[in-house]
Order: sequence, then C-alpha cells, then structure tokens
Amino acid sequence: DIVLTQSPGTLSLSPGEGATLSCRASQSLTGSYLAWYQQKPGQAPRLLIFGASTRATGIPDRFSGSGSGTDFTLTINRLEPEDFAVYYCQQYDSSPRTFGQGTKVEIK
Amino acid sequence: QVQLQESGPRLVQPSQTLSLTCTVSGDSISSGNYYWSWVRQHPEKGLEWIGYIYHTGSTWYNPSLESRLTMSVDTSRNQFSLSLRSVTAADTAVYYCTRDMRSRWFDFWGQGSPVIVS
Repeated sequence: DIVLTQSPGTLSLSPGEGATLSCRASQSLTGSYLAWYQQKPGQAPRLLIFGASTRATGIPDRFSGSGSGTDFTLTINRLEPEDFAVYYCQQYDSSPRTFGQGTKVEIK
Repeated sequence: QVQLQESGPRLVQPSQTLSLTCTVSGDSISSGNYYWSWVRQHPEKGLEWIGYIYHTGSTWYNPSLESRLTMSVDTSRNQFSLSLRSVTAADTAVYYCTRDMRSRWFDFWGQGSPVIVS
C-alpha cells in the first residue's frame, strides 16, 4: 500500500495568515493522482482538491494544491475562521486508496 | 444536491456482523456514472477506504478487509449496503458512505454512522 505522510502534525496560526501543508507519498504517484479533504469536528470530510491542483465545486480560491511525484502541498492563503480544521490527503494512484494521517490547523 | 445517509445499529457485539445501509438522494445509483464506497475512521485516527460497489453489483474491496466483507446494492431503493463479519474492537469506527468518482476521489459523503463493537 502507498503510505502518505503529512506534515506538520499540527499548525498553529492566526486568522489572516497563510498555511502550507505537506503530503509525501512512499512512492511516486503517476498523473498527480492526489486529493485533499477538510474535516471539521463532528462532520464528514469535504473534498477540496483533486488531481493535485483542481479545486472541487464551490471551494474558495484561497485553497490551492500543487506538487507531483512524491511531494504535494496544500496552500491556504489568508486563513478564515472557518478554515481551522483537519486536512487529509488521499492518493488514488493505486489500490487500495489510502489517506494521510492528517494535519490539524488550529487557531494560535 | 446529492445526499447520502447511513443507517444501522450503533452497537455490535464482538464476533457478530456489522451491517449498514446507505440511502442516496439527489442522484441515481443506476446511472452508472459513479461507484459507491464505504470509508471508515477509527477514533482519533485517520481514514480507511473499505470498498466500493457499482450499480451492476461489481465490487472491489480493500484486501485488509476482503475476507470479512460483503457489499450489496438495491437500485430500486437507491441504496447500497455493507456487511462486515466477525467484528472485533478494532472495527469500532465512524462509517461513512460516499459517492466515489470511479476509484478516484470521494466527492459526497454521508454524515457518518458511529459503530461501537462491545
């Protein structure tokens, strides 16, 4: 199985600041087959990004994804109060699809 | 708007079978445009893909669960179901049903059904 390692585990930031979240795959993902999700307490994950960089419907443009191969990044520009949550990456390069362990973005 | 809703018992005894059903609204499973997956989340831990089913009844399971898993679909009711046999405490988790973009990403999720094995 492909292992996804997310860093940092927790990011403490203030509203208005920018966030950079990393997701590293144990083997290269062909075709940039990576998605990002946001999860708030008590809620289901919400799809943010697929194809490493394509925003899902309704996702604000302050969220952007980049990367290829084994290294991927989710960037959140100018954090809004509703952005404080846990973020997961997920690969769909090979089966079984796997998720990273998550990065928590908390209010500093 | 696509909505998914899980239903089933919240408490299952060890060695018994965990059964959940997902009712889909706002989309038709029969359209064949998507797969339909189950994903679970262990307490305070990450997410694990369980398996998917297609409207034809074709399935693809996570090898880690395959020996205990059966998924089924009822297109007349627009529902799909999960059956996990011989459960242990390690199967305690929140179970989500999802719309699956053909073995790629998961674009719509149910609210989640917490299941405790005890």
